[in-house]
Amino acid sequence: GAVVSQHPSWVICKSGTSVKIECRSLDFQATTMFWYRQFPKQSLMLMATSNEGSKATYEQGVEKDKFLINHASLTLSTLTVTSAHPEDSSFYICSAPTDLGTDTQYFGPGTRLTVL
Amino acid sequence: QKEVEQNSGPLSVPEGAIASLNCTYSDRGSQSFFWYRQYSGKSPELIMSIYSNGDKEDGRFTAQLNKASQYVSLLIRDSQPSDSATYLCAVNGAQGAQKLVFGQGTRLTINP
Repeated sequence: GAVVSQHPSWVICKSGTSVKIECRSLDFQATTMFWYRQFPKQSLMLMATSNEGSKATYEQGVEKDKFLINHASLTLSTLTVTSAHPEDSSFYICSAPTDLGTDTQYFGPGTRLTVL
Repeated sequence: QKEVEQNSGPLSVPEGAIASLNCTYSDRGSQSFFWYRQYSGKSPELIMSIYSNGDKEDGRFTAQLNKASQYVSLLIRDSQPSDSATYLCAVNGAQGAQKLVFGQGTRLTINP
């Protein structure tokens, strides 16, 4: 299957700081990537759709000024959590559909964010 | 009504038996259906995709789709302890084929 990587795999930061998470498609190009957040014992919640070369599309209730998304190339999307607070602590996962004509999505390994 | 519904479980199945996981969805326009497995602390891993009514088999896994009933299921034969995980049903959303909507997941435990 297609490979999607994320970096870092985990990060601990102080409240008020910003954290950048990278999502890369390693063996295919992804004009679209998706960012999800998952709280303990809950399912994945879609935060936004990252579009290469254009603005991201955010789901209802997700603050676009707090969760900055940049999709500067066909293999890289970044999510920046600005002015992080403890309630932002979560498991952030990106996914990308392959360019094989199907909508099968492959997930990155996730980034565990802990805000102190 | 949630868009994609699953029984959250936990579902306990003895080793070697068949585990049956069920999912219903509300959007009749959905065309693509997926089952993902998620181990604790890890990201989801694709197990099966299904697009047409009927059964699709891959090894010990069989996905079943009934669009008329808006129902998709996953059967795991010869269950192994390593199958213990949360299984997520995902359906492509109404606003674009690539946007997935996930159920809340069913936690499956295989008892040795």
